[in-house]
Amino acid sequence: DTEVTQTPKHLVMGMTNKKSLKCEQHMGHRAMYWYKQKAKKPPELMFVYSYEKLSINESVPSRFSPECPNSSLLNLHLHALQPEDSALYLCASSPREGPDTQYFGPGTRLTVL
Amino acid sequence: GNSVTQMEGPVTLSEEAFLTINCTYTATGYPSLFWYVQYPGEGLQLLLKATKADDKGSNKGFEATYRKETTSFHLEKGSVQVSDSAVYFCALSLQTGANNLFFGTGTRLTVIP
Repeated sequence: DTEVTQTPKHLVMGMTNKKSLKCEQHMGHRAMYWYKQKAKKPPELMFVYSYEKLSINESVPSRFSPECPNSSLLNLHLHALQPEDSALYLCASSPREGPDTQYFGPGTRLTVL
Repeated sequence: GNSVTQMEGPVTLSEEAFLTINCTYTATGYPSLFWYVQYPGEGLQLLLKATKADDKGSNKGFEATYRKETTSFHLEKGSVQVSDSAVYFCALSLQTGANNLFFGTGTRLTVIP
């Protein structure tokens, strides 16, 4: 299994909602990432988990809350988002934190109304 | 600092034309270099990579050579197809420290029949 899966594929939420994005990989990778990608822009790194511990938080607002329950799963909890948070959210994984290739999921397209 | 500069798009080519997308980088260490491709509505897929100077990455007819002397990693394909229409991102990852991928801005390629 060489795949990173993400659910849901699309999500529409209001500014007062709480929702979660889910990412899963079964490649035995020990580093997992969340990226945000706005239209016609490259992905921007949000968080890095290494061995289930938060390694990097790129000054992301607290309305985004990551969670890594185990080595295969990565969640992104969303609360009180703003319309400008609408974007494609990409999850990636790599064997370890370092210069390894990152493997990306298909993304969740989030729209905040 | 660390950064990637790639040619502005969009690029429009006829089928079977030769493709070059320029990419140059600035890095504080010894980076690994990547080309990722993003098809419409999808996540990023690794196209090819090179981890040291003079390495050539290749995949699906695409090639790129890691040129340390010119700090470049230009993407080439001898004969493009309509199915190659996508956005191409050049990226670097440092050999030490956190596995942050530094992306270029992306180049949109459209191949017309």
